[in-house]
Amino acid sequence: ETGVTQSPTHLIKTRGQQVTLRCSSQSGHNTVSWYQQALGQGPQFIFQYYREEENGRGNFPPRFSGLQFPNYSSELNVNALELDDSALYLCASSARLAGDYEQYFGPGTRLTVT
Amino acid sequence: GDSVTQMEGPVTLSEEAFLTINCTYTATGYPSLFWYVQYPGEGLQLLLKATKADDKGSNKGFEATYRKETTSFHLEKGSVQVSDSAVYFCALSFSGSARQLTFGSGTQLTVLP
Repeated sequence: ETGVTQSPTHLIKTRGQQVTLRCSSQSGHNTVSWYQQALGQGPQFIFQYYREEENGRGNFPPRFSGLQFPNYSSELNVNALELDDSALYLCASSARLAGDYEQYFGPGTRLTVT
Repeated sequence: GDSVTQMEGPVTLSEEAFLTINCTYTATGYPSLFWYVQYPGEGLQLLLKATKADDKGSNKGFEATYRKETTSFHLEKGSVQVSDSAVYFCALSFSGSARQLTFGSGTQLTVLP
């Protein structure tokens, strides 16, 4: 069974640029959530995708957007990058079955905005 | 809004010492509670969870009990090992559509041999 994978591992961008981060969910999982973890802080929920539709959003501006594909993989897009967007971006997948919604996290993408 | 407060770190212990990491939450209703662990350079791993009051979650020698009256979910381990060195996050979520996790700020634990 393949776990959650994310790419790239590290990324450096310049303020104002756009970035796309990718996540492949664990086999059998149909829900993907994205979190932002600033240095020294706990992860903060950005949004969740279920069956290719956004299914819940945290307190993040519209320049944070996403997609989910038919194979349940997902992308996180951030436009007009700001210095404060520098963080570890975590993807988590879950099966969304009755009962257990346990989220399985990937290793993250470290984004640095200069 | 919902929030989780963890004891401030870092925490440094000697091997075989007793560990307690305090966690309290503020929420309307009765959330599920979790402890996640993050090893250096890795993503988060679920350590244990409890879904209702008085439930005790346990895994790998770690335990935490869901205390509704004190809105707490303190993490304990009787004898820590060097390999337990990591950042520990307390989190909550509610049943419902997204079930997003709300995390505390994390507690860095270092265990010395």
